Amino acid sequence: GAVVSQHPSWVICKSGTSVKIECRSLDFQATTMFWYRQFPKQSLMLMATSNEGSKATYEQGVEKDKFLINHASLTLSTLTVTSAHPEDSSFYICSARRLGQLSSYEQYFGPGTRLTVT
Amino acid sequence: GENVEQHPSTLSVQEGDSAVIKCTYSDSASNYFPWYKQELGKGPQLIIDIRSNVGEKKDQRIAVTLNKTAKHFSLHITETQPEDSAVYFCAATAPFLTSGTYKYIFGTGTRLKVLA
Repeated sequence: GAVVSQHPSWVICKSGTSVKIECRSLDFQATTMFWYRQFPKQSLMLMATSNEGSKATYEQGVEKDKFLINHASLTLSTLTVTSAHPEDSSFYICSARRLGQLSSYEQYFGPGTRLTVT
Repeated sequence: GENVEQHPSTLSVQEGDSAVIKCTYSDSASNYFPWYKQELGKGPQLIIDIRSNVGEKKDQRIAVTLNKTAKHFSLHITETQPEDSAVYFCAATAPFLTSGTYKYIFGTGTRLKVLA
């Protein structure tokens, strides 16, 4: 159990366009979903945290108008990169925290989405 | 805020030898420490974790030790195999002050290469 999927697994888009990445918890309901960005040979950096039905909380230095996060249901969160530029090219990874596990710290990670902006 | 340091950045070992990766954290309030294995082009995979009320945990060839006083924790892999080659990340929890939930702060990663 505790499977998280992402779609698409990779995407290429042109500079100036927007791209949406989906993160789904397949066999559990997620109270909180997290979005990370990982540049080549670097660590995972938390971008934002989203709770179902409420606004996302962005980490310092992350532009909320550029990285739009929607968490419309307990199983789906989306990240939209607006007006993408080559410097937005990265590996985007989501994770989810299971609803009901109040004493648990575990996050379940998705397989990641490779974004390339040309 | 929480800061996690990880060493070494790269580690090469002969197949069958042991590998040790060390992390230190800064926030004494951190209470959960997971370790992840990440293969190229994939998401991180949890391999072992430890809570602050435990000093050591073992799962077959993998073990984690925690020293709360010194604020460091280590990953030990014994009898390494070529398929253990990957990037390993440690993490520590840091609380969201406003919501009472927790986020992860990741270490910088260790690229482990097991030589056959």
